[in-house]
Amino acid sequence: AQSVAQPEDQVNVAEGNPLTVKCTYSVSGNPYLFWYVQYPNRGLQFLLKYITGDNLVKGSYGFEAEFNKSQTSFHLKKPSALVSDSALYFCAVRGSYSGAGSYQLTFGKGTKLSVIP
Amino acid sequence: DTEVTQTPKHLVMGMTNKKSLKCEQHMGHRAMYWYKQKAKKPPELMFVYSYEKLSINESVPSRFSPECPNSSLLNLHLHALQPEDSALYLCASSHRNPRTGQHTEAFFGQGTRLTVV
Repeated sequence: AQSVAQPEDQVNVAEGNPLTVKCTYSVSGNPYLFWYVQYPNRGLQFLLKYITGDNLVKGSYGFEAEFNKSQTSFHLKKPSALVSDSALYFCAVRGSYSGAGSYQLTFGKGTKLSVIP
Repeated sequence: DTEVTQTPKHLVMGMTNKKSLKCEQHMGHRAMYWYKQKAKKPPELMFVYSYEKLSINESVPSRFSPECPNSSLLNLHLHALQPEDSALYLCASSHRNPRTGQHTEAFFGQGTRLTVV
């Protein structure tokens, strides 16, 4: 079974400061890792992914994430937070299977990010 | 174009009504998904269609009936719903890598906010 843990229900950060949203995962085989953002009453918007290659991946809106295999982590980061970054963030994982198992996209419980002006 | 379009955006229905949710994508993705999301919770997988065939049904009550008329369209037919079925219903699609058989990121629509009265 695969799982994702987002240990913080809420993260508060001042505008202009760096932000980190934490994610750890458990999966058999090589992980495919994703971050999504959700604004109120909207769908999930894809931010970035790690499939293979460089451990630091860059995504939309200045976000990046660092894959750490030994710590099974995939933390989301941004050097300078904006008020408009305030939203709900979900980390998700797929196992590197083929067949029916490859459909299973497991989400963390979500972290609410509040950027304070 | 990474757009998944869902209609309607909002739906209020009585417990004896029959209604349908619609989803459309033109990215050529052959996997399409229905998720249910309660407030401040992660999405929960309901159904997966692969190449227009139902691949996964996550023990969803029969009052929810999915349909995939073609590779671009996905419907969710609703009948005799309960108030606890009120939620945001999200459609998503993903591309399957023909070499690895693996699906990577899923793209989500904006959702249908369903209220059952």
